[in-house]
Amino acid sequence: DAMVIQNPRYQVTQFGKPVTLSCSQTLNHNVMYWYQQKSSQAPKLLFHYYDKDFNNEADTPDNFQSRRPNTSFCFLDIRSPGLGDAAMYLCATSRDPLAANEQFFGPGTRLTVL
Amino acid sequence: AQKITQTQPGMFVQEKEAVTLDCTYDTSDPSYGLFWYKQPSSGEMIFLIYQGSYDQQNATEGRYSLNFQKARKSANLVISASQLGDSAMYFCAMREGVTGGGNKLTFGTGTQLKVEL
Repeated sequence: DAMVIQNPRYQVTQFGKPVTLSCSQTLNHNVMYWYQQKSSQAPKLLFHYYDKDFNNEADTPDNFQSRRPNTSFCFLDIRSPGLGDAAMYLCATSRDPLAANEQFFGPGTRLTVL
Repeated sequence: AQKITQTQPGMFVQEKEAVTLDCTYDTSDPSYGLFWYKQPSSGEMIFLIYQGSYDQQNATEGRYSLNFQKARKSANLVISASQLGDSAMYFCAMREGVTGGGNKLTFGTGTQLKVEL
């Protein structure tokens, strides 16, 4: 089945130790998104890629970076995780930005920072 | 100002009953879309239903229907014949505009629904 896959499902890192979260998709969608969802809060968009074009949200900290080496994969890099970065990180895709498409979400990666 | 407001942090419903989850939105964009997602405790976001601002009829998908009242800027989700598996967090979300580089969604704070026997 076509889907959005996130690895790992659970990630533990140490304060200040760089960590990379992975997302892959078999939907061949043009747009890939990264959301941060803290406990009991709504998901918050960090950035998205439309094909190779990177679009950062204005309030996304510089500590968060992303890479999209090809259509299928997108990575979230947290350069120096702080305790406040502990959250669920959701990857999503959509076919294109102009149509009324829903976003397809992966299962999320729950990040713990010790 | 909040763009998406969900005023019910928690709701209870009896199995087989219908339940309405409230959502109001704020936008000056004439073209927008409204979405409802379900998030079980496992974490994934599951798309339920979509309503476009120019759609003349209320959207329906199986047991889910969207009560769209454009003048009041509300987009309430109605779940009919509730099942135990409907227990989850429900998010209302809005996408503004149809152009631009990305289908950006703004989410409300969610409503935790618990279905009881």
